[in-house]
Amino acid sequence: DAGVIQSPRHEVTEMGQEVTLRCKPISGHNSLFWYRQTMMRGLELLIYFNNNVPIDDSGMPEDRFSAKMPNASFSTLKIQPSEPRDSAVYFCASSIGGVGKRNEKLFFGSGTQLSVL
Amino acid sequence: AQRVTQPEKLLSVFKGAPVELKCNYSYSGSPELFWYVQYSRQRLQLLLRHISRESIKGFTADLNKGETSFHLKKPFAQEEDSAMYYCALSEGGSTLGRLYFGRGTQLTVWP
Repeated sequence: DAGVIQSPRHEVTEMGQEVTLRCKPISGHNSLFWYRQTMMRGLELLIYFNNNVPIDDSGMPEDRFSAKMPNASFSTLKIQPSEPRDSAVYFCASSIGGVGKRNEKLFFGSGTQLSVL
Repeated sequence: AQRVTQPEKLLSVFKGAPVELKCNYSYSGSPELFWYVQYSRQRLQLLLRHISRESIKGFTADLNKGETSFHLKKPFAQEEDSAMYYCALSEGGSTLGRLYFGRGTQLTVWP
């Protein structure tokens, strides 16, 4: 298994543009997480899916952010319109755990480095 | 509310010196604590978990419920230990099952 796959690795865009980040979790994992990493705040959980259903989206900063998981093997995180303060590394992670269970081991993707100019 | 606190953003030690990365948590139930590590140009990965009582790459961490701490320790730091370290807490039972991360500590081990 290639692990959690994220694309693109790097994204440079201009303020106001739509950005879509993609994630393919490890096959068989039923939990998927989107995290944002910045120097100031460290690793912040944006949204968490279990069995393709959004469980906790309290970390999504604004309505400009949206995430979907149409099936067990694909998720997207969209920012529309993007702003310079959205610049960060966005990680996707998956695990076998789920609601009511401890998520013991998360497997992280390589991340998407987003720069909004 | 911040459930996991890592008070040091940056920590530098010389090779061969002992190192301790601090982690404190806030949780009324029975938590499970973890340390994740991100080496340069590598993926964030699990280093160790308290329930396993294991030593990985010479690192150990003991859960101290009285002090609500889970500090990561290594008696003799090596240059290859330089990385970003995140302490994490997992809830279970009837809660959402999410994993809370601290803000991370960047460890630099000088030669």
